[in-house]
Amino acid sequence: LAKTTQPISMDSYEGQEVNITCSHNNIATNDYITWYQQFPSQGPRFIIQGYKTKVTNEVASLFIPADRKSSTLSLPRVSLSDTAVYYCLVGDGDSNYQLIWGAGTKLIIKP
Amino acid sequence: EAGVAQSPRYKIIEKRQSVAFWCNPISGHATLYWYQQILGQGPKLLIQFQNNGVVDDSQLPKDRFSAERLKGVDSTLKIQPAKLEDSAVYLCASSLVWPSTEAFFGQGTRLTVV
Repeated sequence: LAKTTQPISMDSYEGQEVNITCSHNNIATNDYITWYQQFPSQGPRFIIQGYKTKVTNEVASLFIPADRKSSTLSLPRVSLSDTAVYYCLVGDGDSNYQLIWGAGTKLIIKP
Repeated sequence: EAGVAQSPRYKIIEKRQSVAFWCNPISGHATLYWYQQILGQGPKLLIQFQNNGVVDDSQLPKDRFSAERLKGVDSTLKIQPAKLEDSAVYLCASSLVWPSTEAFFGQGTRLTVV
C-alpha cells in the first residue's frame, strides 16, 4: 500500500510562506496526491489535489516533481488561522482507491 | 449547500455497552465513508458505501462494528459491545462519485468509553 512521510510538526510566522513536503516513494502510476487540512474538533477539509507539475487554487499551491516521489504544499502568506494539521494522501489504486492517512503535519503559526 | 451532518456530537458510554452514530451526507453524494480517528493520529477508514452497497469494509472490526446505509442516503454505524480502545472520533464523509479523492467531512462524534 502506498504510504506517505511528512514532518510531524512545523512552526512559522504570520505573513510567511510555508512549504510542507511529503514523500511518497511507492506512488502508483494512476494515483493522485491530495492534501487535507484539519482544525481541532473538526473533520478534515480538502485543500488541493494534483497529478504532476504544479496546481494552484485560491488557498494553496501544490508542486510535484517529474518522478512524483514527493510533493510540496505551499501556503502563501499564512495567518494564525492556518494553524492546523495538514495531511498528504496518495490514492492507492490497488485497494478500491482507498486513501491512506498518515499522522499529518501539525503546523503552528506564531504572531 | 448543507454539509455532512452527524449526531450526536459527543457520547460517553461504559465498556460493553452499545452505541450508534448517525450520518446524513451531502445531498446527491453517492459515496459515504466512516472513519475512526484516534487522538493524535490520522483518520482510519472503516467502511465505504457506493449508494447502499458496501465497496470496502476490510478494516471494519466486524465482530463488534456494523454499518448500514439504507436507501443510499443516511447511514448508521454501531458498536456492540464497546471496548475502551474504541474511544475516538468517528467521522462521516461523503463524495459525489466513486472513486474520489475529494471527500467532505462532518464534524464527527467524539466517543469516550469508560
